[in-house]
Amino acid sequence: QVQLQESGPGLAKPSETLSLTCGVTGYSISSGYYWGWIRQPPGKGLEWIGHIYRSGNTYYNPSLNSRITMSVDTSKNQFSLKVTSVTAADTAVYYCARVSVIGGYYYMDVWGKGTTVTVSS
Amino acid sequence: EIVLTQSPDTLSLSPGERATLSCRASQSVSSTSLAWYQQKPGQAPRLLVFGASIRATGIPDRFTGSGSGTDFTLTISRLEPEDFAVYYCQQCGGSVFTFGPGTIVHIK
Repeated sequence: QVQLQESGPGLAKPSETLSLTCGVTGYSISSGYYWGWIRQPPGKGLEWIGHIYRSGNTYYNPSLNSRITMSVDTSKNQFSLKVTSVTAADTAVYYCARVSVIGGYYYMDVWGKGTTVTVSS
Repeated sequence: EIVLTQSPDTLSLSPGERATLSCRASQSVSSTSLAWYQQKPGQAPRLLVFGASIRATGIPDRFTGSGSGTDFTLTISRLEPEDFAVYYCQQCGGSVFTFGPGTIVHIK
């Protein structure tokens, strides 16, 4: 079955760049779907960060747009997220997910387990 | 940006009871863009319903989504012990996703 796994440093210093990768197994990114990132600060709700297509076409949360870059590597079947100039407010569990926009339906049907990122000096 | 509000914030119910969760949008949204998720502590969200009323694969039929326009509802007909969790609604408009703040369903 389709599985997603986030990886990356669990700790980042303020003002640095956070980099995460999501590896996909059981499905080829080249076959379709969008691939997205969602985060959840401690004790809070879900925040959509953005999503990317196999072609590299991206959609970002307007509130994070200036600090976000997503990329996709179809040869490794993975996609990545970079967040620049991080602050304590970026501390969260970061999830990657498969994003469906097929037939006008918009939802995230497969999620990774999440990775905790703490921003602290 | 479309804002989603969910009510109530918390629902205290007993197993076997019916749960009715509300999701209201700040402006009309397409039903095809409305989804519901369940999240248990320490776990990733799980898709329950998409297209406002279509159950995702493997979701029991005690979960029913309904609604249109600005008002949507998730109903759990008879709560099972494993249903006590946080529930989020989500919409997508103009390729921008937003989530509601969540409703906690906990055991009374």
